Amino acid sequence: KAGVTQTPRYLIKTRGQQVTLSCSPISGHRSVSWYQQTPGQGLQFLFEYFSETQRNKGNFPGRFSGRQFSNSRSEMNVSTLELGDSALYLCASSSAGQTNTGELFFGEGSRLTVL
Amino acid sequence: GEDVEQSLFLSVREGDSSVINCTYTDSSSTYLYWYKQEPGAGLQLLTYIFSNMDMKQDQRLTVLLNKKDKHLSLRIADTQTGDSAIYFCAETPAGTALIFGKGTTLSVSS
Repeated sequence: KAGVTQTPRYLIKTRGQQVTLSCSPISGHRSVSWYQQTPGQGLQFLFEYFSETQRNKGNFPGRFSGRQFSNSRSEMNVSTLELGDSALYLCASSSAGQTNTGELFFGEGSRLTVL
Repeated sequence: GEDVEQSLFLSVREGDSSVINCTYTDSSSTYLYWYKQEPGAGLQLLTYIFSNMDMKQDQRLTVLLNKKDKHLSLRIADTQTGDSAIYFCAETPAGTALIFGKGTTLSVSS
């Protein structure tokens, strides 16, 4: 069974640009969550999607958005990039209907560098 | 406090036991988790404990839960160099996603 796949693995952008990251969950998993990982703040929850609906949202500005498609694949978008957006963005999928009971399976992440 | 707290670093010698501690925030958390992150990789679930348990043992791993103090610990017996990684504890406040600590970097020297 293939794991969680995130693309691209690495990317470099400049301030003011926008970026789209993609995540393909494990087959059969309907919940996809996104986290931002930085050395200073650790792992911070961005949002969670379940069956194409955003179910939970973290405390990030509106520049961060996401969506989920009918095949459970998810994308997140960051507009008007800032230097502080440089981070590892991790996607995780779960088979549980409620993420507070099930294991999260993580991808290897997309490392974004903003210059 | 409002954050899941962990010490940032732990250094042990190969063969010793490692104990990583965590203080969580929400007593309603149904499950508490330990995840491991190796360099350049995503997180991988090591083990979890249900909130009505005090202890869970899984091969070299022992998880202890003190609900009164909201304290969670992970003990790794006979620590190996391959155990060097960052370890995250996580809680599951009702109705929200997993909330992680900032991680404890475990360094194992031979």
